[in-house]
Amino acid sequence: EAQVTQNPRYLITVTGKKLTVTCSQNMNHEYMSWYRQDPGLGLRQIYYSMNVEVTDKGDVPEGYKVSRKEKRNFPLILESPSPNQTSLYFCASSLMVGFQETQYFGPGTRLLVL
Amino acid sequence: AQKVTQAQTEISVVEKEDVTLDCVYETRDTTYYLFWYKQPPSGELVFLIRRNSFDEQNEISGRYSWNFQKSTSSFNFTITASQVVDSAVYFCALSEAEGSGTYKYIFGTGTRLKVLA
Repeated sequence: EAQVTQNPRYLITVTGKKLTVTCSQNMNHEYMSWYRQDPGLGLRQIYYSMNVEVTDKGDVPEGYKVSRKEKRNFPLILESPSPNQTSLYFCASSLMVGFQETQYFGPGTRLLVL
Repeated sequence: AQKVTQAQTEISVVEKEDVTLDCVYETRDTTYYLFWYKQPPSGELVFLIRRNSFDEQNEISGRYSWNFQKSTSSFNFTITASQVVDSAVYFCALSEAEGSGTYKYIFGTGTRLKVLA
């Protein structure tokens, strides 16, 4: 089954304690991306990756890091989380064939930073 | 700069009514892509469609249809004969193809659609 998985699904942490949210896809997609969703703000892109070892900033990259060492995984790293990073996070991957694109999203990770 | 505006914060319709969700975008690029997504009450995100800037042909998929008009920078989404299962938040998004071939996404703030039985 084609899927994007994220772990953990829920996380409560404290300010400054490093954490990693994992994202994995089993579809061999080249493009992967991270978004955060906040009430009233919709979705905002944090980072994206066009392929292995190719990453770039989205609209709100501050306070986040990513890596893409292999095609299937795209972890999101919060080196020193702060309360303003409390949010719902989605990972996504895309299949691009010519001019067509289909996107798949993970189930989301709800993060609370105290 | 890129911008996506979904002016309708919330819409309520009665089942079987048709409903149109508006999306207006701003971009300076000639090559760009437009998207719609659905987020039902369960919270997952579902990709619905991507449209390329060079293809203004309208798209129909079952009860869903999309109207892309470059002249008004709009990419509206219509649900025909709405059903309760259509109740969700719908997001419109824009992506521009950047010089290196990479591209990023800008989302609207979403429209919450409530379909009443």
